Amino acid sequence: QQQVKQSPQSLIVQKGGISIINCAYENTAFDYFPWYQQFPGKGPALLIAIRPDVSEKKEGRFTISFNKSAKQFSLHIMDSQPGDSATYFCAASGSNYKLTFGKGTLLTVNP
Amino acid sequence: GAVVSQHPSWVICKSGTSVKIECRSLDFQATTMFWYRQFPKQSLMLMATSNEGSKATYEQGVEKDKFLINHASLTLSTLTVTSAHPEDSSFYICSARGPGRTRGGYTFGSGTRLTVV
Repeated sequence: QQQVKQSPQSLIVQKGGISIINCAYENTAFDYFPWYQQFPGKGPALLIAIRPDVSEKKEGRFTISFNKSAKQFSLHIMDSQPGDSATYFCAASGSNYKLTFGKGTLLTVNP
Repeated sequence: GAVVSQHPSWVICKSGTSVKIECRSLDFQATTMFWYRQFPKQSLMLMATSNEGSKATYEQGVEKDKFLINHASLTLSTLTVTSAHPEDSSFYICSARGPGRTRGGYTFGSGTRLTVV
């Protein structure tokens, strides 16, 4: 059972455009929703995270939108740059602190 | 910021031998460490959770006798792949949480690429 569904699997965006990645979860006990960026051969790095009592969080060019009733959350990358090209993972965790990851989105930003 | 150091970054070993991977929290005490496995172009799959001074808890389907995890101190956890076979070739990543941290206190290591020949 896949508890966190992520889409799209891959995404190509032009430089300066907006990248949007979506995730949906099933477990209503999840209460922490982070997004990670991973470059080839490296471990994931935390980009931004949100808790269910907030509908939106913005940090620089990265914004999380959260819809608790729909059990969905999304990552928006504004003014996308070639350096943003990486794999992005959404994740969720509950009281056991175990992270459940989505399958990932390979983002390519063309110059 | 919190830093987790993972070594080695890559290792090649012969089939049947054992390999140890180290994960160290450099500037905080890691009460809980997580070990993940990642196949090419796939997501991270949690293998086990270890708390300092206690036995690791393995996820369903993970062979505890093949993947030995030791979390003997608050700054060091090790994963030993015993009697490695080519199918164990993968990217292994550790993650650490410290005491009193907010829910967001996960720090990942840089990963270890294991190739079994």
